[in-house]
Amino acid sequence: DVKVTQSSRYLVKRTGEKVFLECVQDMDHENMFWYRQDPGLGLRLIYFSYDVKMKEKGDIPEGYSVSREKKERFSLILESASTNQTSMYLCASSLGGQETQYFGPGTRLLVL
Amino acid sequence: AQSVTQLGSHVSVSEGALVLLRCNYSSSVPPYLFWYVQYPNQGLQLLLKYTTGATLVKGINGFEAEFKKSETSFHLTKPSAHMSDAAEYFCAVSTPYYNQGGKLIFGQGTELSVKP
Repeated sequence: DVKVTQSSRYLVKRTGEKVFLECVQDMDHENMFWYRQDPGLGLRLIYFSYDVKMKEKGDIPEGYSVSREKKERFSLILESASTNQTSMYLCASSLGGQETQYFGPGTRLLVL
Repeated sequence: AQSVTQLGSHVSVSEGALVLLRCNYSSSVPPYLFWYVQYPNQGLQLLLKYTTGATLVKGINGFEAEFKKSETSFHLTKPSAHMSDAAEYFCAVSTPYYNQGGKLIFGQGTELSVKP
């Protein structure tokens, strides 16, 4: 079974803090993705990576950065958290191309 | 550019009734289409996907969807709803370009409630 794990299920941070969200997949997948999920908006792509050290901006990259130093790990960084970044964050991975994406359980982030 | 529209943010059915969740897409190239399900406080799980070939696709838990190119639709159905089907459902279309890594464009989601 494909397993995608995320470092935290729930996080509470203060405005201005630097926040790290970690994602690890165990299936040697090439592609990894970070989405945020908000009610009524579905999932929106923040960043994705199709190879180690490679990254591409998604639809809403502002205020976020990412790091992929190893194939299995993809980190999302909020350089200076703001209240409008309160959301559910979902990580996913896939073999490549248009193969099925497998999702982690999500991290619910609250920024106060 | 690809886009997905799910008609109805909330759908309520009785247990044993037909489930119909609507999805329309736009795509300038032949689409890959997906339905995902999200149970409360969980990530997304693949229900089914259409790539090429047979237009009627069967998925897990008795769900199926039909790709209709002329209608640009990919509606999800299940003949008989079960209480355990209560969840949020997302339709998605994939971009086909390799260097974009198979990006998914999601609809807004439809929350399905099942009444006893």
